[in-house]
Amino acid sequence: DAKTTQPNSMESNEEEPVHLPCNHSTISGTDYIHWYRQLPSQGPEYVIHGLTSNVNNRMASLAIAEDRKSSTLILHRATLRDAAVYYCILRSGGSYIPTFGRGTSLIVHP
Amino acid sequence: EAGVTQFPSHSVIEKGQTVTLRCDPISGHDNLYWYRRVMGKEIKFLLHFVKESKQDESGMPNNRFLAERTGGTYSTLKVQPAELEDSGVYFCASSQGWGRGTNEKLFFGSGTQLSVL
Repeated sequence: DAKTTQPNSMESNEEEPVHLPCNHSTISGTDYIHWYRQLPSQGPEYVIHGLTSNVNNRMASLAIAEDRKSSTLILHRATLRDAAVYYCILRSGGSYIPTFGRGTSLIVHP
Repeated sequence: EAGVTQFPSHSVIEKGQTVTLRCDPISGHDNLYWYRRVMGKEIKFLLHFVKESKQDESGMPNNRFLAERTGGTYSTLKVQPAELEDSGVYFCASSQGWGRGTNEKLFFGSGTQLSVL
């Protein structure tokens, strides 16, 4: 299965943009890039997903590199509520079960 | 619309006892997944139902774990007998459509915190 690599943790100040990177150098052409996050004491929550083009929704933006070997989740203005563990996951037809790695723990400072 | 609900939210039992966790997926979602997180470890996949059928149970740790999904609606995960290493948070998730949708979203419940003493 194609794997992802994320930094263990990142820090940000409130109301500043946050760029969370994810490397997936072994991604295949049919793999979708999904991001989930887990707030404290809650289950994971869907954030965004994409295949090739950049994507925007009300929660975040997803920037996908042209070669698709990396992607970046962008939170335009971090809030304290965005403090969570963010997971970058690849979903493919061959291994469609979402597999969670260690993710990136985002700390947001007031 | 109600989300994925799990109960109990917490369960404390003694080693050797039996515990049954329940998950109610979002209405109309054919896919139901069980995951668990053991303290300090990653969230690990346990099994996947499509309606009432088990599609993939490759993540089930051993035969002390039994999952069912009656009539393709709610699901239960029974641990019998429970061991200390079974402690952790058990998450349930559901999604629409048939399981191999690579762009479908999973909706998770808040989990059941299981403590085996």
